[in-house]
Order: sequence, then C-alpha cells, then structure tokens
Amino acid sequence: AQRVTQPEKLLSVFKGAPVELKCNYSYSGSPELFWYVQYSRQRLQLLLRHISRESIKGFTADLNKGETSFHLKKPFAQEEDSAMYYCAPDSGGGADGLTFGKGTHLIIQP
Amino acid sequence: GAVVSQHPSRVICKSGTSVKIECRSLDFQATTMFWYRQFPKKSLMLMATSNEGSKATYEQGVEKDKFLINHASLTLSTLTVTSAHPEDSSFYICSARTETEGPPQARIFNYGYTFGSGTRLTVV
Repeated sequence: AQRVTQPEKLLSVFKGAPVELKCNYSYSGSPELFWYVQYSRQRLQLLLRHISRESIKGFTADLNKGETSFHLKKPFAQEEDSAMYYCAPDSGGGADGLTFGKGTHLIIQP
Repeated sequence: GAVVSQHPSRVICKSGTSVKIECRSLDFQATTMFWYRQFPKKSLMLMATSNEGSKATYEQGVEKDKFLINHASLTLSTLTVTSAHPEDSSFYICSARTETEGPPQARIFNYGYTFGSGTRLTVV
C-alpha cells in the first residue's frame, strides 16, 4: 500500500539553527515528490518538488531512493519558516491527487 | 500564477440540511479537480477526484451519495454535503491540477496542484 510517513508531529528549533523535516515513503514505481507548506491562516502552497531541483526560501530536499526518503532541509532557520509542512508523493502524474503525510508543525523560536 | 477560489470560507448549517461548496479556477481551465477533507490537527485526506464532464471518482470509504460532486464546466467544481450531520463538520479543501512549463523530456512532470483556501463547515 502507498504510504508516506512524517515521524515528527512537532519540531521546535531556534532561529539560525539547521532544520530537517523527515519524510519517508512507501510507493510502487517512482513517484514525484512534493513538499507543501501552510503558513498560519493561509492556503497550502507548493514549497518545492523533486523534479524541479530548485531551492525555495533556502529549503532543499534530496531524494534518497535507497532509503525511500525525501527529507526537507534548511541550514539556517528563520522565524518566518514557522508553519505546517506536508510531504506528498504523487504516483498518478497529476491524475489521482496527492497523498499527504500527517504533517510536521515547525516552530522557530527567536 | 494559477489561482483557485473556494467559497464560502465558513458555513454553519443545521443537521439535515445540505451545503454546497464551490471551487473555481480563476485564470485557467481545470480539467481535473480534487476534494480533500482535513480533520482538526490531522492531515488532508483525498475524498474524490472530479473530471470535467464525467462522474467523480471517490476514494474508498467516502459516501458518494452524501458528498455530491459536480464538475460541469472547466472552471467550476462543486461539493454538496447532503443531509449534513455534526460528524460532517470539517475543513474541506479543493485543488486543481495545473499545467506547468518544463522541458519536453520531463513532460510527464509538467503539472502541479493549486489549492483553494478551504471551507470550514460546522453542522449544528
């Protein structure tokens, strides 16, 4: 069965510290992988996706097929990074919608 | 960029009544739209996929007679919660598949998802 795991429900780090939000997936084939972010009182928005290999707001994510992981990282956290982060693999090519992880609430302390 | 407008943002209704939620693509045509449900402090759960001009595909465990989805045009999909009960109270979010730019060799990845701002439904 397709499954995505975000083991940390809550992650609190100090401003300027490195951040890593974990995501592991269990999917057949090679899914495309997304990270979505939801800031307080705002809609879900795309943070980054594997195929584009872009770094957005200082975040990067490396796909490790051996470990089936797509952890999200940022070397120096900023207060405005506080938000809910969702990992979402997609094996349907845009036809089947996304399966979201349970999300990690990231809190950046000043 | 692509914008999805969802209305209403909040609605309170009485048990037994029906509520309609609209999801519109403002500056693009959305052949495929998705409806999600989010329980408090939980993740989003895909309820159904709607394709313009055809019947929606529901995920396992989602009652199609309770959650009626209509996608009659390329810019509008609606979700109607029929005979609402308090346990239907939730946050409902729509999303549309969008086409994105990209190299021809990655054509299969030239898509994305844009989300509406959600509807908070409270059934009393």
